[in-house]
Amino acid sequence: GAVVSQHPSRVICKSGTSVKIECRSLDFQATTMFWYRQFPKQSLMLMATSNEGSKATYEQGVEKDKFLINHASLTLSTLTVTSAHPEDSSFYICSARAATGEKANTQYFGPGTRLTVL
Amino acid sequence: GDSVTQMEGPVTLSEEAFLTINCTYTATGYPSLFWYVQYPGEGLQLLLKATKADDKGSNKGFEATYRKETTSFHLEKGSVQVSDSAVYFCALSEGSGGYNKLIFGAGTRLAVHP
Repeated sequence: GAVVSQHPSRVICKSGTSVKIECRSLDFQATTMFWYRQFPKQSLMLMATSNEGSKATYEQGVEKDKFLINHASLTLSTLTVTSAHPEDSSFYICSARAATGEKANTQYFGPGTRLTVL
Repeated sequence: GDSVTQMEGPVTLSEEAFLTINCTYTATGYPSLFWYVQYPGEGLQLLLKATKADDKGSNKGFEATYRKETTSFHLEKGSVQVSDSAVYFCALSEGSGGYNKLIFGAGTRLAVHP
């Protein structure tokens, strides 16, 4: 299967600071990456879709100025939570998808990043 | 819009019992269907998928058949193990042109006891 990594796996920060989460596809080129948020014992909610070299497409209700997404290369996308507050505490999961080939029709997920804002 | 409905959990079974987790979907087109599994504290892992009607996805003893007539994609396993304890998510992929979005069901927690 495909390998997608996230870093860090856990982060604790103070309210008002910014946190950057990295998502990397390790063995394929990901033209599209997705960012999800998961609250405890709930399903995943898509936050945004990012395509390499272009602006991310945000889902309704997601603040693009608060959740900054950059997809500068075919193997890396970053999510920056700006001016984080306790309500931003959550499990953030990314996924990656190739444009062509066997991996084109499937999203491969990273292990997730647990963000805790104090 | 498109949606996925899963049976509510938790599902509690004894080891070697038969497992069924129901999943039905609503879609305007012809989506691909997926089952993902999430172990505690981890991200999602693709378990199996089916891309067209009557396809059967299978992996690790789990299987699910894409039933267009009943808009279902039920997950089954003949004999569960304790290590199968996890949360299972049914999902569909909508859209086209390389920008497919995944729509997830609420997830079903499975607990298998020895």
